Amino acid sequence: TQLLEQSPQFLSIQEGENLTVYCNSSSVFSSLQWYRQEPGEGPVLLVTVVTGGEVKKLKRLTFQFGDARKDSSLHITAAQPGDTGLYLCAGEEGTYKYIFGTGTRLKVLA
Amino acid sequence: ETGVTQSPTHLIKTRGQQVTLRCSSQSGHNTVSWYQQALGQGPQFIFQYYREEENGRGNFPPRFSGLQFPNYSSELNVNALELDDSALYLCASSTRTSGGTDTQYFGPGTRLTVL
Repeated sequence: TQLLEQSPQFLSIQEGENLTVYCNSSSVFSSLQWYRQEPGEGPVLLVTVVTGGEVKKLKRLTFQFGDARKDSSLHITAAQPGDTGLYLCAGEEGTYKYIFGTGTRLKVLA
Repeated sequence: ETGVTQSPTHLIKTRGQQVTLRCSSQSGHNTVSWYQQALGQGPQFIFQYYREEENGRGNFPPRFSGLQFPNYSSELNVNALELDDSALYLCASSTRTSGGTDTQYFGPGTRLTVL
């Protein structure tokens, strides 16, 4: 089973700051997804990256897939309190099975 | 809101008991995956059902079993509950085609507490 490690585990920042969350593995994934989960709810898909080196932007969020498809990063510009939540990466392992990372809990203070 | 519903919302059981959790998939979706999310961790894949058959399983013992019905809704059954089974159980529905699997949509989860 492939493992995905996320860093940092916890992040508390002030509104307006920038941040980067990392998702690393020693294995190659065919695709990688980023989710955000809020208390009492299931994860909600933010983006899927498929090609090595791919960069996708979603408003103030920028996602990058590593060239070797083993790692990914999520960068948030000018964080807002509404960005608070648990950020999860998930790699697709073979036949339609997703391995989730350990999660990064982000708190943005107003 | 994704259209994936789960019941019950919360459940308290004692060690050794059995539990059944239910999931109604989003309309048009033929695949359901179940995940266990312990407090402070990411979800762990339990198994996936496609067209009423188990299709892929994570590192969970046989006391975790499931069903998928013709309307694509699903059940997760856990026998001989242990304290470590306390977690949020998530189901996710999606559509599988010959080209791959579409986006997974997660339900809100069932919070199981084993005493």
